[in-house]
Amino acid sequence: EVVLTQSPSTLSLSPGERAALSCRASQSVDTNLAWYQQKPGQAPRLVMFDASHRATGIPARFSGRGSETDFTLTISSLEPEDFAVYYCQQHTNWLLSFGGGTKIEIK
Amino acid sequence: QPQLVESGGAVVKPGGSLRLSCAASAITFSDHYMSWIRQAPGKGLECVSYISDSTNYLYYAESVKGRFTISRDNAKSSLYLQMDSLRAEDSAVYFCVVGGGPYYFDHWGRGTLVTVSS
Repeated sequence: EVVLTQSPSTLSLSPGERAALSCRASQSVDTNLAWYQQKPGQAPRLVMFDASHRATGIPARFSGRGSETDFTLTISSLEPEDFAVYYCQQHTNWLLSFGGGTKIEIK
Repeated sequence: QPQLVESGGAVVKPGGSLRLSCAASAITFSDHYMSWIRQAPGKGLECVSYISDSTNYLYYAESVKGRFTISRDNAKSSLYLQMDSLRAEDSAVYFCVVGGGPYYFDHWGRGTLVTVSS
């Protein structure tokens, strides 16, 4: 099973600041990594797929990079609606797995 | 935009059974893998089960293997999860999701709450 470790668990930032979220895989997942955003009381929403491709409707301030075991989701300038929990997920094999999440909270 | 509507969540006693349903619309249902993903209160996401488009591949998390059964009816654009021998640790919001297997999860329902408690 591929274990995904997200860091930090919580990020305290102000609107307008840059956020960088890390996701590390216990073995290579190539670029088969997705990111999801979840707000309280809502279902998760796909943000990024195949490591660096923005999902439909996701603004350009979101970017993703990485391959094999190290991945980063960057939000260049935080908007109020970006404060949420973000999960990474790998789909490189049939045993899917999620990371534990990073919460971006308002400082 | 695809719509996924879950139903069937309830409060049930340990050892009991429930059947969750998911009705899909605005999507060619038969073309997609489908999954059930759950989230316990205040916790992260767990893919409980998924089923391939043609039903020839089924996956179950170890935590539910032998107790849960996933199925689909492509003619009705519907997904199901039969949950037997329920335990307290099965308490969660269950989301119906497009994706699974080698695919990411690109459309999610709003979820249905399952509570297992005596």
